[in-house]
Amino acid sequence: KAGVTQTPRYLIKTRGQQVTLSCSPISGHRSVSWYQQTPGQGLQFLFEYFSETQRNKGNFPGRFSGRQFSNSRSEMNVSTLELGDSALYLCASSLGRDSGGATDTQYFGPGTRLTVL
Amino acid sequence: GDSVTQMEGPVTLSEEAFLTINCTYTATGYPSLFWYVQYPGEGLQLLLKATKADDKGSNKGFEATYRKETTSFHLEKGSVQVSDSAVYFCALSAGFGNEKLTFGTGTRLTIIP
Repeated sequence: KAGVTQTPRYLIKTRGQQVTLSCSPISGHRSVSWYQQTPGQGLQFLFEYFSETQRNKGNFPGRFSGRQFSNSRSEMNVSTLELGDSALYLCASSLGRDSGGATDTQYFGPGTRLTVL
Repeated sequence: GDSVTQMEGPVTLSEEAFLTINCTYTATGYPSLFWYVQYPGEGLQLLLKATKADDKGSNKGFEATYRKETTSFHLEKGSVQVSDSAVYFCALSAGFGNEKLTFGTGTRLTIIP
């Protein structure tokens, strides 16, 4: 079974621009989560989508947004880029059971490294 | 809110040494606990997990036991190899439809031959 794929792997943008990152989950997985990884702040949760709906959201400004399509693929958008947005953006997928119970295991993609100049 | 406190690094050990990386957590309810590993230039790989108290997760010689009384999930390995050099992250998730993972700061492990 193919793993989580993310495109592109590397991006260089300038301040003020916007960027869209893409994530294709493991086949059959309905939940997609996004994380930002920086040396200073570590790994921080951005948001999670399940069945095309945002189910959870982290503490990031509204410049960070996402969506999920009917095939569970997800995109993340960052508008008006700032230097501090330079980071590794990781996508993770899971079965995302929508009933009570222990968390499903999340499987991570290789990440998109965004550099803002 | 939920939080994970992880042993500060970096940690340098000789090959075949015993490894312990401490992890404690704060959470309401009964979270699931995870150890992820990140190799240079790659994303995170699940190493092991435990979903309830006293569960022991194990994989590739690594072990961790979910201790609710001490709110801990320490990672151990009896004999490390050079290939174990990586960054290790302890994480928790509240479960019950909340897929959010809360991570520790990560511990960089270097094994020297």
